[in-house]
Amino acid sequence: DTGVSQNPRHKITKRGQNVTFRCDPISEHNRLYWYRQTLGQGPEFLTYFQNEAQLEKSRLLSDRFSAERPKGSFSTLEIQRTEQGDSAMYLCASSTAIQETQYFGPGTRLLVL
Amino acid sequence: DAKTTQPTSMDCAEGRAANLPCNHSTISGNEYVYWYRQIHSQGPQYIIHGLKNNETNEMASLIITEDRKSSTLILPHATLRDTAVYYCIAFPPSAGNMLTFGGGTRLMVKP
Repeated sequence: DTGVSQNPRHKITKRGQNVTFRCDPISEHNRLYWYRQTLGQGPEFLTYFQNEAQLEKSRLLSDRFSAERPKGSFSTLEIQRTEQGDSAMYLCASSTAIQETQYFGPGTRLLVL
Repeated sequence: DAKTTQPTSMDCAEGRAANLPCNHSTISGNEYVYWYRQIHSQGPQYIIHGLKNNETNEMASLIITEDRKSSTLILPHATLRDTAVYYCIAFPPSAGNMLTFGGGTRLMVKP
C-alpha cells in the first residue's frame, strides 16, 4: 500500500493557461474523489468517481473544470483558462466500495499569476 | 450530513493528553463520526472513526457520548508533531457521499 499519490505537487501558471493534475489512488480502491482547499478553509468536495463513472459533481466544478478516470485507475483534473481564483490546493482521495474511509493524497498546490 | 461544531483552537503541553471536543447534536443514526487531521501544507490524514462505541487505534481514542450528540478525540501523549488542524466530520457511509469539512480545531502542542 503506497498511498494516494498526486502529481505535480506544485504548479505555477499564468492566467488563461490550461493545467492538468494527476491522481493515482491506492490500488484496488474503486472510488476516487477530488477536493479543493483554499487558504484557511477546509477542503471542499468537487467530484467523485466509482470506477470510471463520474457519479457526482459539485456546483464548484465550473465548465472550465473537467475530470476523467478513463480506465478506473488514475484520474486527471483539468482546468481550462485558469483564473486567479483557481489558486488553491487540489486534493485527491480514494476509498474502497466496502469501507468508506477516504484516504487523501498530498495534494497539488496551484498558483495562478 | 450533520453539522459539527469544534473550538477554533486549543493548546496542549507536550507529553500530556490532548482532548479535542466536537458537538454533532443533529447527527442521524447512520452517520459515523470521523476525525481527520491536516498538518501544514499536507493532505488530510485519517485518524479514527466510530458509530456508537468508543474506538481506539494506534493514533488516538474516540469517545462518543451515549446520545451521540458529542464526541472527544484523545491523543494520549501529544508530541510536537501532533500540531495540526483537526477536523470532526459526521459522515453517512453510503455510496458517493462527500466529506464536509468545517473549520476544525487548530491544536498547538507546546514544549
